Amino acid sequence: LAKTTQPISMDSYEGQEVNITCSHNNIATNDYITWYQQFPSQGPRFIIQGYKTKVTNEVASLFIPADRKSSTLSLPRVSLSDTAVYYCLVGDEGTGRRALTFGSGTRLQVQP
Amino acid sequence: NAGVTQTPKFQVLKTGQSMTLQCAQDMNHEYMSWYRQDPGMGLRLIHYSVGAGITDQGEVPNGYNVSRSTTEDFPLRLLSAAPSQTSVYFCASSQGTPGGRSPLHFGNGTRLTVT
Repeated sequence: LAKTTQPISMDSYEGQEVNITCSHNNIATNDYITWYQQFPSQGPRFIIQGYKTKVTNEVASLFIPADRKSSTLSLPRVSLSDTAVYYCLVGDEGTGRRALTFGSGTRLQVQP
Repeated sequence: NAGVTQTPKFQVLKTGQSMTLQCAQDMNHEYMSWYRQDPGMGLRLIHYSVGAGITDQGEVPNGYNVSRSTTEDFPLRLLSAAPSQTSVYFCASSQGTPGGRSPLHFGNGTRLTVT
């Protein structure tokens, strides 16, 4: 599984756009990039996934440059309820990659 | 759909006791896994299963056993509880092997305290 590096923590204010960047320099050709969100006392939940370029859903956008060595999760106009830990994972469906490991994630604190 | 259901939500054990954490999913997912999360830390993989009858070890398997007799259930057994096993335990499942196009679905966790 490709190793990922993301900031330990970030602070923002309500209404701002937040961008969290994840580095994954040794990403493989078949790897997908997936982001999860975890609120206190809850299990992580899937936010968004992409392979290349840009993906957008009702929650966030994911920007992936052409070399795919990094990705940026963009949360538009955050609110207090977006305070959570965000995890970036990289992996594929290959038979050798069944043990999905999480790093420490990025702790986002949104203030009023 | 209930998704991934974990029971109990909270448990207190004495050192040396054994217990089973239950996990059930109703999405017909082939892949299931157990993670533990210590305060302020990320998730660490304990055991996982790619289908009924097949299990394998993750990063931190010592002190835990699993079995997968049905697609729906994936119980985690603590053989002899130790204070170092105080943690929050999450069960997760996915349609295919995770990391690719099959995102993990997590339960809400079991908070275990070993005294």
